[in-house]
Amino acid sequence: DQQVKQNSPSLSVQEGRISILNCDYTNSMFDYFLWYKKYPAEGPTFLISISSIKDKNEDGRFTVFLNKSAKHLSLHIVPSQPGDSAVYFCAASGSTGANSKLTFGKGITLSVRP
Amino acid sequence: GAGVSQSPSNKVTEKGKDVELRCDPISGHTALYWYRQSLGQGLEFLIYFQGNSAPDKSGLPSDRFSAERTGGSVSTLTIQRTQQEDSAVYLCASSRTGGVGPDTQYFGPGTRLTVL
Repeated sequence: DQQVKQNSPSLSVQEGRISILNCDYTNSMFDYFLWYKKYPAEGPTFLISISSIKDKNEDGRFTVFLNKSAKHLSLHIVPSQPGDSAVYFCAASGSTGANSKLTFGKGITLSVRP
Repeated sequence: GAGVSQSPSNKVTEKGKDVELRCDPISGHTALYWYRQSLGQGLEFLIYFQGNSAPDKSGLPSDRFSAERTGGSVSTLTIQRTQQEDSAVYLCASSRTGGVGPDTQYFGPGTRLTVL
């Protein structure tokens, strides 16, 4: 029973264009949603997060949108750069203590073509 | 400062053998997590340590898996009588206090375990 779903395994975009990575979840009790980026042979690195009480959070080229009614979030990368090519994981968690454990999606491989 | 380190980076073992995986969290971080990523899957939570509290073992897949954290710092994940389905990348993460928001989880590079 997957609580966090990334239904597209891969995405390819042209350098300079927008990348939109989607994520759906089923557990309405999640308090935070996060995006992690992973390069081969490295651990995931935190990218951006959003609280369940917000609908948008922006950090430079990265913006995360949350639609609670649809249980859907998306990561927008504008403009996309070749260095953004990596696997992106959507994750969700509660607030504190044992609920802070992350529930991850399966990831999406983003390829940005020069 | 130094990030989360894990050793070994790669481990190949034979079915039925025991293995120990080590994690050194970021100094001062009180929360420590173990996850694993099997082929084609997302990261799966295994166990969570917070300070001196009893660990949350709810993600451990079987009683062959155990973990301990000594002195509130280094952690070892032990898998007894390994099976081929245990083959995965085992990732350790730490955070300052165990919350989200400012208390981001920082991941180590992982240990790739292959059970032949």
